[in-house]
Amino acid sequence: DTEVTQTPKHLVMGMTNKKSLKCEQHMGHRAMYWYKQKAKKPPELMFVYSYEKLSINESVPSRFSPECPNSSLLNLHLHALQPEDSALYLCASSQGRSANQPQHFGDGTRLSIL
Amino acid sequence: GQNIDQPTEMTATEGAIVQINCTYQTSGFNGLFWYQQHAGEAPTFLSYNVLDGLEEKGRFSSFLSRSKGYSYLLLKELQMKDSASYLCAPRERDDKIIFGKGTRLHILP
Repeated sequence: DTEVTQTPKHLVMGMTNKKSLKCEQHMGHRAMYWYKQKAKKPPELMFVYSYEKLSINESVPSRFSPECPNSSLLNLHLHALQPEDSALYLCASSQGRSANQPQHFGDGTRLSIL
Repeated sequence: GQNIDQPTEMTATEGAIVQINCTYQTSGFNGLFWYQQHAGEAPTFLSYNVLDGLEEKGRFSSFLSRSKGYSYLLLKELQMKDSASYLCAPRERDDKIIFGKGTRLHILP
């Protein structure tokens, strides 16, 4: 069990579908992250929200759209994805400005694009 | 730019000691994390270094040399459950942590 909760655990969608991934934490963390991880590769940073504002977008295609409705929630809206977007999507959170605080990861959403 | 280098795979024997090295070049630096990741699971935090020297935490220790852009993770008294990937992750700035490619560690009985 992790303190960062991601839903759904698995998602299969077609290339024309619109879906959302959700992430929630109640640790009072002020930084939240989305990572993409392909098999046998490290997590790749996509987006960072710091104090509910988007602080980093690692040149992610616009078919991925993040949203941070409040300090506990982080969403990733998906539209018109490609088969190569199939991966494990990990959400993480951290204290934010405290440099020695690690990121806590959720268990991820395994996404398959048909 | 960023460059993080660590061995792709290592093998060690149960009960032994193994050292996983990491060299890094980042545009900023504010500490370095090590994470463990078992196949199919999320990464879990192992250690953090921001000052030069050794940090010890039970069977796991991590070392940092900022001037050399070098860190290592030392695992003692290896157990079968230590078979996993180990990710070196420098913090480039307050909210940006970059992961290396990871070292897959295989433990033999």
